[in-house]
Formats: sequence, structure tokens, C-alpha cells
Amino acid sequence: GQQVMQIPQYQHVQEGEDFTTYCNSSTTLSNIQWYKQRPGGHPVFLIQLVKSGEVKKQKRLTFQFGEAKKNSSLHITATQTTDVGTYFCACDYGQNFVFGPGTRLSVLP
Amino acid sequence: DTAVSQTPKYLVTQMGNDKSIKCEQNLGHDTMYWYKQDSKKFLKIMFSYNNKELIINETVPNRFSPKSPDKAHLNLHINSLELGDSAVYFCASSRLGVPSYEQYFGPGTRLTVT
Repeated sequence: GQQVMQIPQYQHVQEGEDFTTYCNSSTTLSNIQWYKQRPGGHPVFLIQLVKSGEVKKQKRLTFQFGEAKKNSSLHITATQTTDVGTYFCACDYGQNFVFGPGTRLSVLP
Repeated sequence: DTAVSQTPKYLVTQMGNDKSIKCEQNLGHDTMYWYKQDSKKFLKIMFSYNNKELIINETVPNRFSPKSPDKAHLNLHINSLELGDSAVYFCASSRLGVPSYEQYFGPGTRLTVT
């Protein structure tokens, strides 16, 4: 079956530092989505990447989809305390959908 | 207006009981889902359902069954609850399409089995 990994599992940063989380799939994806879950909250959709090599930006967030459509990254520039939460990639294989284990980000003020 | 709502928010019950969690979406979406999030925050899809098809994650015990009275509702019924069922259960919905559309999650139901 498909396996999805995310690294790192945890990341502690000082406010203002950059942060990157990586998502790796064992097999080729149809597309990938990213979600953010604040502590005590529910997952909230951030972005969807469909095309090989695609790059999308949302303010301080940059999302990339690998050329082989098997990996993706989320980069946050100059983190803020509001960025705290768990970031999940969600991998669409066409017939099923698998969430990665998430990267938990804490930001120290 | 709440897009995806779930009731109850908290559910505490004893082993062996049967319970249901309700989910409603007012987004007009075609597809609804149930997820289980364990204490380690792993999000595991349990079911996806649209008007035509129910897709079951094969690892889900048959004590769990989704019931959809109409397109806007997908309830989760759990028989003979076990300690390992303790988790947060999220309902979600999305438009139906290829590639898949983004999912909108409900606030979650925290189930505690004692």
C-alpha cells in the first residue's frame, strides 16, 4: 500500500526563523493537499498542488510539488506565533486518500 | 453559518456500549468522510461516501458503520465500543471531482471509552 512520511516530526523555532516540512510518498501521487491543524482545532485546507514541479505561494508560505509527483514541501518564511500547529500533507492516489503523520511546529516568541 | 457540524462535541461512554456521532454539512457537497485521529495525532480515513459509492478503509472494524439519511448527513455508528476506540473523530466533506477537491472538516468529536 501507499506510505506517506513527513519530516521532521517536531520542529521548534524561534519567532522569525524559517521552517520547512517535507512530505514523501512511496508511490506517485495524483495530487497533494496541505492542511494546518491548530492545537485543539480541526484540519484546515491550505493549498492543493496538481502539476509536476508546481510551486505556489501564500504570503509567507511556499509550497512545492516534486517533479516526480512523489514528494512535496511547505516552507514558512519568518515564522510567527500564529503559525503554531500541525501541518499535514494529504496524498491523493486517485482511489484513496492518505494523510501524512504531520509535522508539529512550535514557535517561541 | 457552520459549514460542517458534528454532535456531540464530547462523548464519554463505557466499553460495550453502542453510540452514534452525527455530522451535517450545508455546503452542498457530494462527498463526506469520517476520520479518526488518535492520541499521536495520526489522521486516518475511515470512510468516504457519496451518493453512489461507499469506500471503506479495510482496516476499520465492522463495528463501525456510516449511515447517510441524505446527501447532507453522514452519521457514524459504533457498536460494542472498545478502549482503543478512544480518539477524536472528524467528519469532512468535499465536492466530488478529479482531481479531488479540498476537504472541509467539522470541529471533531472527542470520544472517551472507559
